[in-house]
Amino acid sequence: DTAVSQTPKYLVTQMGNDKSIKCEQNLGHDTMYWYKQDSKKFLKIMFSYNNKELIINETVPNRFSPKSPDKAHLNLHINSLELGDSAVYFCASSPPEGRQETQYFGPGTRLLVL
Amino acid sequence: LAKTTQPISMDSYEGQEVNITCSHNNIATNDYITWYQQFPSQGPRFIIQGYKTKVTNEVASLFIPADRKSSTLSLPRVSLSDTAVYYCLVGDANYGGATNKLIFGTGTLLAVQP
Repeated sequence: DTAVSQTPKYLVTQMGNDKSIKCEQNLGHDTMYWYKQDSKKFLKIMFSYNNKELIINETVPNRFSPKSPDKAHLNLHINSLELGDSAVYFCASSPPEGRQETQYFGPGTRLLVL
Repeated sequence: LAKTTQPISMDSYEGQEVNITCSHNNIATNDYITWYQQFPSQGPRFIIQGYKTKVTNEVASLFIPADRKSSTLSLPRVSLSDTAVYYCLVGDANYGGATNKLIFGTGTLLAVQP
């Protein structure tokens, strides 16, 4: 009965590969997010979607492409992975009736690019 | 965008009350103040949110002075399991397609000792 789930939890891959991270929330929320937390623990928003529509698209390389097949899912596809992409990626969602800052985070996907 | 400043780290002992202060001198009229807690290898977890004066829930209290340029998260009688990073977040939720950048600061690492 996990609220926000991500797969995989760990991802180790070679430079240049393409990989995807999946996120699903069963909270009935309309808004979902992707965050990146680097080795210095800075947590930065990458994207947000509201009801499958892109709302926020930060200065993220276009190698990163989010896809929202429905409002319960927000997947992140990364092309041509680079060493600097190594980080923890968190998915989150927020309820429509609350403040947008009230976000529920997933457990994170630890990506290591070799 | 309101920027937040917090102490990088704090130490405490079990059973003590801990107060973590966050400065946000440029807070806007529509901004709310939200605190998150992050344990190692987990996603951030919402603790408390407020706009002004005092807010209390089962986990913590949030004190916000009249000028709203700072806020203090108060954790009563901390235990070892409260060791975590605490983030102060200031932002406005604006739906309807508006771009809303949610910015997490550097956070405060609270270390609770026996």
